[in-house]
Amino acid sequence: RKEVEQDPGPFNVPEGATVAFNCTYSNSASQSFFWYRQDCRKEPKLLMSVYSSGNEDGRFTAQLNRASQYISLLIRDSKLSDSATYLCVVSSGGGADGLTFGKGTHLIIQP
Amino acid sequence: DAMVIQNPRYQVTQFGKPVTLSCSQTLNHNVMYWYQQKSSQAPKLLFHYYDKDFNNEADTPDNFQSRRPNTSFCFLDIRSPGLGDAAMYLCATSRVGTSGRVADTQYFGPGTRLTVL
Repeated sequence: RKEVEQDPGPFNVPEGATVAFNCTYSNSASQSFFWYRQDCRKEPKLLMSVYSSGNEDGRFTAQLNRASQYISLLIRDSKLSDSATYLCVVSSGGGADGLTFGKGTHLIIQP
Repeated sequence: DAMVIQNPRYQVTQFGKPVTLSCSQTLNHNVMYWYQQKSSQAPKLLFHYYDKDFNNEADTPDNFQSRRPNTSFCFLDIRSPGLGDAAMYLCATSRVGTSGRVADTQYFGPGTRLTVL
């Protein structure tokens, strides 16, 4: 069983639409959760951390459901510049543990 | 201002010829990581240094080694690159506080894309 699973897509979405991604994680001891964005041939960049209470940053909203072990990302009013791969990431949150990445969901915003 | 710097950005080596990738950071973070990312795959942690302590992932091949001569620099050595080692190699840093918990998330460098001929 994969540790972090995501639908790879691609999601083809018209500009201005709302799009949602989910991911599931297998390690119930995971403590920290993130969404990273990765553009083609570039490094991953932190989009936002994910908290149990849910959090919002402009057009982006992230939710965590610990009971079901899934994480979601909602993008409202999508822009062409949102086209990228979105990586769901978890870590145990303690010490210097590395991050466990999902394979990513590829999003294409169409004009 | 660049915070995590990787050199070179592109590296071409021959099958079996040792290669060293470099990472430096200006964040004064105490943890440095090396990830391998192959095409269309997730980044995979190879190992990390927590201060001077080296922590190897169980499934990292012996062909991969690392050195951290000081806080700012960390090197990835591939002793005998094979065709399957062609990938993007990402360096990342984070800061672990006295509580033992990560104070910051991980910051990634731009990566070194390795080609093996």
